[in-house]
Amino acid sequence: GAVVSQHPSWVICKSGTSVKIECRSLDFQATTMFWYRQFPKQSLMLMATSNEGSKATYEQGVEKDKFLINHASLTLSTLTVTSAHPEDSSFYICSALGPQSTDTQYFGPGTRLTVL
Amino acid sequence: DQQVKQNSPSLSVQEGRISILNCDYTNSMFDYFLWYKKYPAEGPTFLISISSIKDKNEDGRFTVFLNKSAKHLSLHIVPSQPGDSAVYFCAASDSGAGSYQLTFGKGTKLSVIP
Repeated sequence: GAVVSQHPSWVICKSGTSVKIECRSLDFQATTMFWYRQFPKQSLMLMATSNEGSKATYEQGVEKDKFLINHASLTLSTLTVTSAHPEDSSFYICSALGPQSTDTQYFGPGTRLTVL
Repeated sequence: DQQVKQNSPSLSVQEGRISILNCDYTNSMFDYFLWYKKYPAEGPTFLISISSIKDKNEDGRFTVFLNKSAKHLSLHIVPSQPGDSAVYFCAASDSGAGSYQLTFGKGTKLSVIP
């Protein structure tokens, strides 16, 4: 149990376009999901906390109009990178609070975004 | 201010020996600690956790020790296997805060040499 998937696993896009990344909890319901970004050789940086049915809570320094988060159901959260620029190129990872322990997050496999 | 520190960016261990990964924290409100394993270009995989009411938790080859007074925890892997080679992240949370957020260390890259 506690499997989290992400789609796509990698995406290449042109500067100025928008990219949507999906995060799904496959075998459990997740009222809370998280979105992280990881730069090369660095730790995970929390971008936002996504709660089902309500607005996401963004960390300081993360532009909410640029990184749109929608958590429309108990198994799906989406991150849309709007008007992408090359500096948005990164590895984006989502996680969901586990079904049995709300203290444990289970991570998706990540999405590699490259903006040309 | 880094609240969770993994001071060793890398560690090399011979196959079959014990790997000890260390983690220190500064926030006394942290009461739940986790270890994740991460391969390049993949999401972290949950390994083991420990609540602050315990000082040891064991799961197969993995044991986590918690020293609350020293604000220190460690992950022991024994025996180490080449497949254990990965980056290991220590994470901590304050369950009383209600946000369920994790604070991660910067990771330690473990290399197990055959």
